[in-house]
Amino acid sequence: QKEVEQDPGPLSVPEGAIVSLNCTYSNSAFQYFMWYRQYSRKGPELLMYTYSSGNKEDGRFTAQVDKSSKYISLFIRDSQPSDSATYLCAMSASGEYSTLTFGKGTMLLVSP
Amino acid sequence: EPEVTQTPSHQVTQMGQEVILRCVPISNHLYFYWYRQILGQKVEFLVSFYNNEISEKSEIFDDQFSVERPDGSNFTLKIRSTKLEDSAMYFCASSALGQGAGGYTFGSGTRLTVV
Repeated sequence: QKEVEQDPGPLSVPEGAIVSLNCTYSNSAFQYFMWYRQYSRKGPELLMYTYSSGNKEDGRFTAQVDKSSKYISLFIRDSQPSDSATYLCAMSASGEYSTLTFGKGTMLLVSP
Repeated sequence: EPEVTQTPSHQVTQMGQEVILRCVPISNHLYFYWYRQILGQKVEFLVSFYNNEISEKSEIFDDQFSVERPDGSNFTLKIRSTKLEDSAMYFCASSALGQGAGGYTFGSGTRLTVV
């Protein structure tokens, strides 16, 4: 079983839609959960960072972590064409200078 | 906003040649990392570096790879004898003390093409 699984998409939505992106994982040691956005030929850019279970909101973005189900989600409200990118989930077991385990990424396309 | 700078943006090399990928981390960061992403695949951890030594390395990071912080500002990844399968995007990242997993800043990457 792969450590972190993420549907590669592409996921196509119209502008203004609510987008739901998800990852599942198998390693119960993961405690830190991140969502990155990656534009073509660019490095990952941190969007959301969550420790343990729960919700976190930042503007149009909401991250949810359900450790009991080993399932994390990123919701994007009022999606914009500029949100079109690949979204990567990443996880780590420890906080300080920890290594990240990434999902494969979901490509999101928001059409005007 | 502070950035992690990587050079070159694209490097083409012949199989068997040595390459050095260069990174300038954010100036007050203490932890440094290399990751790579083969086209269509996941971003994969290669190595972490702290206090002038390797903290952790993955199975990918074999004897063909080495890292160095030669002058207090640059952080380099050397591949001694490149193989076709080393073709990938290589990302450098850095983080500050206490920032943990959420404090990574990634560079824009170097696309390495081995022919």
